[in-house]
Amino acid sequence: AQKVTQAQTEISVVEKEDVTLDCVYETRDTTYYLFWYKQPPSGELVFLIRRNSFDEQNEISGRYSWNFQKSTSSFNFTITASQVVDSAVYFCALSVPGTGRRALTFGSGTRLQVQP
Amino acid sequence: NAGVTQTPKFQVLKTGQSMTLQCAQDMNHEYMSWYRQDPGMGLRLIHYSVGAGITDQGEVPNGYNVSRSTTEDFPLRLLSAAPSQTSVYFCASSLPPKGTSYNEQFFGPGTRLTVL
Repeated sequence: AQKVTQAQTEISVVEKEDVTLDCVYETRDTTYYLFWYKQPPSGELVFLIRRNSFDEQNEISGRYSWNFQKSTSSFNFTITASQVVDSAVYFCALSVPGTGRRALTFGSGTRLQVQP
Repeated sequence: NAGVTQTPKFQVLKTGQSMTLQCAQDMNHEYMSWYRQDPGMGLRLIHYSVGAGITDQGEVPNGYNVSRSTTEDFPLRLLSAAPSQTSVYFCASSLPPKGTSYNEQFFGPGTRLTVL
């Protein structure tokens, strides 16, 4: 069985601060995919990134960066110089291919509030 | 392409009433699924389908029925609504996997259901 833990329920920062959202996952499979989704107040799910288990390279996209460490089963997400528009709920998710379900196992989410 | 569409956007039911949440996609995706989102619990898989005529249960299937008569549509039926089914429901679709590959899941905008 798969499990994703996002221990931070809510984080509040002031604009321009850096913030890291933690994600720890559990799976026995050696091939898997990790994701981050953003859910703004409007409610839709916005795909941010996908990473497969064979690629441990960190990734940077503008103010966003992701740190994938298989040794600690973590896939953390950092926002640099946060902005009010970053306020949202962020979900980390895990998918194991090769099963009929192809389901995403989601963490419980971290609510980020960026104060002006 | 409209992507994944869901209707209605909002619905209020009384306990015991039945209703169908509609989900349609125009991307010719074989894989479709339903998730529910509850506060503090992330998204959980209700039912999924790997193609027309084929459905299976997810993590939380009780109280819900699905059918898949066409590739495009995957309705979710609540036979006798209960307050515990108050939630936000998301439909998702994707192409089928090849081996250990991953194809991105596309999410609909969600249906907010309240059962009184």
